[in-house]
Amino acid sequence: DIQMTQSPSSVSASVGDRVTITCRASQGISSWLAWYQQKPGKAPKLLIYGASSLQSGVPSRFSGSGSGTDFTLTISSLQPEDFATYYCQQANSFPWTFGQGTKVEIK
Amino acid sequence: EVQLLESGGGLVQPGGSLRLSCAASGFTFNSDAMSWVRQAPGKGLECVSVISGSGGSTYYSDPVKGRFTISRDNSKNTLYLQMNSLRAEDTAVYYCAKAGEGSGWKRFFDYWGQGTLVTVSS
Repeated sequence: DIQMTQSPSSVSASVGDRVTITCRASQGISSWLAWYQQKPGKAPKLLIYGASSLQSGVPSRFSGSGSGTDFTLTISSLQPEDFATYYCQQANSFPWTFGQGTKVEIK
Repeated sequence: EVQLLESGGGLVQPGGSLRLSCAASGFTFNSDAMSWVRQAPGKGLECVSVISGSGGSTYYSDPVKGRFTISRDNSKNTLYLQMNSLRAEDTAVYYCAKAGEGSGWKRFFDYWGQGTLVTVSS
């Protein structure tokens, strides 16, 4: 199985901050990576797919980059509605696996 | 508007069975792979099963292989998960997810249901 490791596990930030979350795959996955946002008690929401493609309706302050084994999700200017947990997911091979999550908290 | 509505969750004893359903609308159901993704309380996400648009191909994660069966009725736009021999570690919110973005068997989950809670306990 491909292991997905996110860092940090949590980050405290203020509104307006730039936030970067990284995801590392245990083996190369090309660009078969997605990022999801999950708020408490809600289903995850797709933000980025194919490592860098913005899902329709997602604000442009979210961006993704990387390929192979190392990937990054960046929130350019954190907004109050962005406080949530973020997960990466690889779709290169079964089982499709997720990172353990990164919680973005209010500083 | 894409909608996915799960049902069938509840409390079941270890060793028992449960059948989850997911009613889909707002897209051409038979065109997309579908999946069940679960989340144990306070934990991360785990993809437990995937089925192709036609229903002819399926995938199961190792923890559920041989106990869970995924199926779909394209005439009813409904996805199912038959869960047998349930264990305490199967306790989770089960999400129905549309695996629409991607190609072939490399897919991402573009729409999710609200989830249904399955609790396995005596």
